[in-house]
Parts: sequence; C-alpha cells; structure tokens
Amino acid sequence: SAVISQKPSRDICQRGTSLTIQCQVDSQVTMMFWYRQQPGQSLTLIATANQGSEATYESGFVIDKFPISRPNLTFSTLTVSNMSPEDSSIYLCSVRGTDIQYFGAGTRLSVL
Amino acid sequence: QQQVKQSPQSLIVQKGGISIINCAYENTAFDYFPWYQQFPGKGPALLIAIRPDVSEKKEGRFTISFNKSAKQFSLHIMDSQPGDSATYFCAASLGDYGGSQGNLIFGKGTKLSVKP
Repeated sequence: SAVISQKPSRDICQRGTSLTIQCQVDSQVTMMFWYRQQPGQSLTLIATANQGSEATYESGFVIDKFPISRPNLTFSTLTVSNMSPEDSSIYLCSVRGTDIQYFGAGTRLSVL
Repeated sequence: QQQVKQSPQSLIVQKGGISIINCAYENTAFDYFPWYQQFPGKGPALLIAIRPDVSEKKEGRFTISFNKSAKQFSLHIMDSQPGDSATYFCAASLGDYGGSQGNLIFGKGTKLSVKP
C-alpha cells in the first residue's frame, strides 16, 4: 500500500495569486498523478509526473497554468497559477501500485 | 468514446436494503473496471475491481456485475449500512491486462445515503 500526504489540506486564496500543493508518498514511485475534482463532478486527470522528466499534461491543461515539479521518487508539487474562481476545486495527488491506484485526501481550494 | 456514464447521481436506501449503482462505457478496449469509495474530506479509495474475463466479482457485501456485450457494469451493496454512506465512483482503464497501466476514466459519482 501507499500512504499519500498532501499539504495544505485546504486554502482560501485571492484571485490572481498562486498556490503550490505538496504531495509526499511513503514509498518510491515512478509515476505520480494530479487530478482535479470539481464540485459534483468526476475526477479529471491534470497531468502525469515522472521523476526526471517533464510532466505530461492532459487536454485542456497547460504547464503555464499548472506547473509541476517532481524532484525525487517520493515527492511532487502542483502549482495553480494566476487563480480565478473557476479554479475552486479539490486537487488530488495519486500514485499507482500493483493494480491499485491510491489517492491523497486532497487539497480543497477556494478562490475568491 | 472515453466517457464512463454513471447513474444515478444520488441514491437513498434504507438500512438493510440493496444499493445498486450503474455504469456504462463505450470503449471496448477498456480492460479494468474499478469502483472507488470516497468519504467526505477523504480521497477516493479502491473498493473493488473487475476485469472483463469474469461476469461477477464479490467481496463481502460488495458485488460487481459486468456485462461485456452491453458494455455495462454495476455495483451492488447488499445489506446497506449507514457507514456505507459515501460517494461512489466507477472507472475504466485502458492498458496492460496485468498492470492496469492506462489512465483511469472516472464516472461522475453517486452520492449514497443509507438511512437508519
């Protein structure tokens, strides 16, 4: 199993600012994933982050808006840049084990 | 073709009853179908999963029924309990049969409330 810790657990931010979300895993993993869960909506994959390479972004998500770092095999950060109220959402870090995908508890972001 | 459609959006069941949540998919290449359970303030956690070579999988009170020809699968919760109250997501994945390397495509979720 994998234990994922995310910080912060929640935040309220002003429009135009940026927030960096941290994800720490208790074991080394090759691939880390960042998801967005909008209220009443499904989980949508933002990007896949491999250590030592650029993150791969899904359609509709761009690096300038959601820059990701992956400095080692247990840690990643997602930055939500130049925030607007539409970015209010839950952001989830995820890793894949053998046949199971694990999720962190998420960061609940509200943008005013 | 990448969508997974989930219904109902919300469900209220009496304690001891059966909760049934349905999902449908289009892409016949999907080969891994998990269900995730999410409690308020928590991340989704894998509940049960099935692969297309079987029609049913049971783990305790939770059963997945899979209909490959109809491209549908469902979650049945027997003897539903108030502690089962949560949001349930179905998902589907492309990828290696043994490794589930594809990205998960999630349904929109079903909020289940089990009344005492």
